[in-house]
Amino acid sequence: EDKVVQSPLSLVVHEGDTVTLNCSYEVTNFRSLLWYKQEKKAPTFLFMLTSSGIEKKSGRLSSILDKKELFSILNITATQTGDSAVYLCAVEATGGGSNYKLTFGKGTLLTVNP
Amino acid sequence: KAGVTQTPRYLIKTRGQQVTLSCSPISGHRSVSWYQQTPGQGLQFLFEYFSETQRNKGNFPGRFSGRQFSNSRSEMNVSTLELGDSALYLCASSQNGANYGYTFGSGTRLTVV
Repeated sequence: EDKVVQSPLSLVVHEGDTVTLNCSYEVTNFRSLLWYKQEKKAPTFLFMLTSSGIEKKSGRLSSILDKKELFSILNITATQTGDSAVYLCAVEATGGGSNYKLTFGKGTLLTVNP
Repeated sequence: KAGVTQTPRYLIKTRGQQVTLSCSPISGHRSVSWYQQTPGQGLQFLFEYFSETQRNKGNFPGRFSGRQFSNSRSEMNVSTLELGDSALYLCASSQNGANYGYTFGSGTRLTVV
């Protein structure tokens, strides 16, 4: 059974701190790894990673994938209170052919205090 | 362009009843997948539809079913509701897999009493 494990489950930091969120996975027929931010209801897309060692960046957020060790990290530098959210890691796998499904980790609840 | 629309936003049902949730994907997206989100289990995959065919199914009992129409809108049905079915139900649409991005709707909050 496909498995995605995120750590830590929760984290409290002060504005300006840098945080690193971890995601490890065991899936069959890996296709991609995705990061989402969930504040209220709809998870919003952050990154999609398919290749090892290539860092994706968007402003203060960055992410990298290691397909050999089966993990990814999401870094947030100079955190702001608006970064407070649940960060979800999901791995996309194919079930054979062209059908896909996402397996999610339980998320990391990040709280950024002023 | 319009996002993914889920209706209704909130629903309260009693045990034993059945419920139907709706998801309208982004125009042009042919894949719709459904997820159940609970505090204890996180987001769990229910099923995925593409061009009116169920392509993939998660580990949920047969009480959970779905369908997709020719306009790509999808419905999810849960019969004989149990208290444990209380959750946020999210749908995501994509053209066909993550290469094209998955966009989530705001979900339907189902409470079973």
